[in-house]
Amino acid sequence: DVKVTQSSRYLVKRTGEKVFLECVQDMDHENMFWYRQDPGLGLRLIYFSYDVKMKEKGDIPEGYSVSREKKERFSLILESASTNQTSMYLCASSLIDPQETQYFGPGTRLLVL
Amino acid sequence: LAKTTQPISMDSYEGQEVNITCSHNNIATNDYITWYQQFPSQGPRFIIQGYKTKVTNEVASLFIPADRKSSTLSLPRVSLSDTAVYYCLVGDGSQGGATNKLIFGTGTLLAVQP
Repeated sequence: DVKVTQSSRYLVKRTGEKVFLECVQDMDHENMFWYRQDPGLGLRLIYFSYDVKMKEKGDIPEGYSVSREKKERFSLILESASTNQTSMYLCASSLIDPQETQYFGPGTRLLVL
Repeated sequence: LAKTTQPISMDSYEGQEVNITCSHNNIATNDYITWYQQFPSQGPRFIIQGYKTKVTNEVASLFIPADRKSSTLSLPRVSLSDTAVYYCLVGDGSQGGATNKLIFGTGTLLAVQP
């Protein structure tokens, strides 16, 4: 079974803090994704990576950056957290084609005070 | 940006067949349509994927008309455990290129009652 893990289930940070959300997959997948999920808005793509050190912006990249130094790990970085970044963050991975089945982690619920 | 449209919510009773439709007017020629299911406090999980006509697996069927501008997820004989949010996922044909952005719908909350 594919396993996607996220470093925290719940996180509370203060405005202006730098926040790291980590995601690890164990199936040697090429693609990794970061989404945020908000009520009434569904899942929105922040960034995705199709190879080590490669990344592409999604629909809402503003205020976020990513890092993929190793194939199995994809980090989402909030350089200076703001209250409007309070949300559920979901990481996913897929094999090669972005349209192949995406396997999601359990999510990190981030609260920025 | 292409949009997908789904009903916000649907109600059903155990044992009924449920059909959830997603509209995706700007789907690209090579894009597949994929449906995911999400329970509270969990990430979405894959249900079914198709390109055209009809696809069936052990949990659902997917109907796609010839113009591919919509798709219908069909869940036969739902049970209480099918209560979840259902998302359809298509590529964004308006972007062009090989790595079309993937667009989730806003999701449909299916509530199954006894």
